[in-house]
Amino acid sequence: DPKIIQKPKYLVAVTGSEKILICEQYLGHNAMYWYRQSAKKPLEFMFSYSYQKLMDNQTASSRFQPQSSKKNHLDLQITALKPDDSATYFCASSPGHISNERLFFGHGTKLSVL
Amino acid sequence: QQQVRQSPQSLTVWEGETAILNCSYEDSTFDYFPWYWQFPRESPALLIAIRPVSNKKEDGRFTIFFNKREKKLSLHITDSQPGDSATYFCAASTSSGQKLVFGQGTILKVYL
Repeated sequence: DPKIIQKPKYLVAVTGSEKILICEQYLGHNAMYWYRQSAKKPLEFMFSYSYQKLMDNQTASSRFQPQSSKKNHLDLQITALKPDDSATYFCASSPGHISNERLFFGHGTKLSVL
Repeated sequence: QQQVRQSPQSLTVWEGETAILNCSYEDSTFDYFPWYWQFPRESPALLIAIRPVSNKKEDGRFTIFFNKREKKLSLHITDSQPGDSATYFCAASTSSGQKLVFGQGTILKVYL
């Protein structure tokens, strides 16, 4: 059974619309993250949360907003979608927010913006 | 600006050969270097990692060699198997957090 659940698996959106990517982890971890992977760029760090608090934000655009309603949830709201936002978005978690801890990745949400 | 660079972009070896994947970095404050592998249509998963206190880390057929002075590291896969065919990502982070900086990846194919 997957321990990090991302929904949906595939998502098609039109330019200018808004979407929410869902992530839930059942590993009992205290830190959660969003990474993005596209054909043009390697895996790219976006956000990190620890105990539901934002720890690091490397996303320049305010169109990307993480939302943590529970310790094991970290959703990603994306507004005013652009074709360049097309990518696979991976949610990840780790036991704590410490540099040498293993990251566990979900299976990703593949977003296509038309 | 690419802080972590990998070469080659793709690599093909025969079963039983040693595959060597290279990685270099720019930020001297990086002090944790994990390698993740990713199979097609799967998510990345941790393979092996090293801290600069060591210049070598071995786990079965997988060995990381680390050269702090040159800011280079390499992953050696001995006795390569078809099941090793995947994309390998070198990554780096500092001690202050969990932001991993990934390289572009090396696509490894192991043929029978």
